[in-house]
Amino acid sequence: NAGVTQTPKFRVLKTGQSMTLLCAQDMNHEYMYWYRQDPGMGLRLIHYSVGEGTTAKGEVPDGYNVSRLKKQNFLLGLESAAPSQTSVYFCASSYMGLAKNIQYFGAGTRLSVL
Amino acid sequence: AQSVTQPDIHITVSEGASLELRCNYSYGATPYLFWYVQSPGQGLQLLLKYFSGDTLVQGIKGFEAEFKRSQSSFNLRKPSVHWSDAAEYFCAVAASGGSYIPTFGRGTSLIVHP
Repeated sequence: NAGVTQTPKFRVLKTGQSMTLLCAQDMNHEYMYWYRQDPGMGLRLIHYSVGEGTTAKGEVPDGYNVSRLKKQNFLLGLESAAPSQTSVYFCASSYMGLAKNIQYFGAGTRLSVL
Repeated sequence: AQSVTQPDIHITVSEGASLELRCNYSYGATPYLFWYVQSPGQGLQLLLKYFSGDTLVQGIKGFEAEFKRSQSSFNLRKPSVHWSDAAEYFCAVAASGGSYIPTFGRGTSLIVHP
């Protein structure tokens, strides 16, 4: 019963490098989300998707891109990493319908940009 | 747009003592309300939720929360805290009509003394 799986768990990048974070869910959820968590800031929504092939911007989308080519996967890309993107990144997913607001979270990816 | 305030950044309690974590929201209609818990190094896990009906809701791990419309609050309570309850707690609000994307508070860190 995997739920939401994020890879990698840890990553260190140099400024200007690129990387992709992968989120996979096995619950057949329609909605998927990427958040970043910074001390004292709670969770801030980066991008989200309401279904395969669709994405939308959240609160802090600059510097990130996303793709949802398959229903079960949601990728978060950093094209040119900056130190300000040092954070913990969480992926979440949720159902459609009345329970659509209940989110299931992955364990997070800890990213350091030097 | 909805918003959430968790006025306490840190709360320290002794093991066995009662606990109340505060959450105030701003939203024009009846909101959907949630409490999530994040153990160190982990993702967020849903503790409980309020959609409608009984304003006192029960959750997992012995937690409960009460929705008070007149005070725009959804405080989390537990009668007797265990050392394993030490974690970060997040309140979240979602619009009951329109956007389903929850807005998270900044979190309250619970410290439990033996």
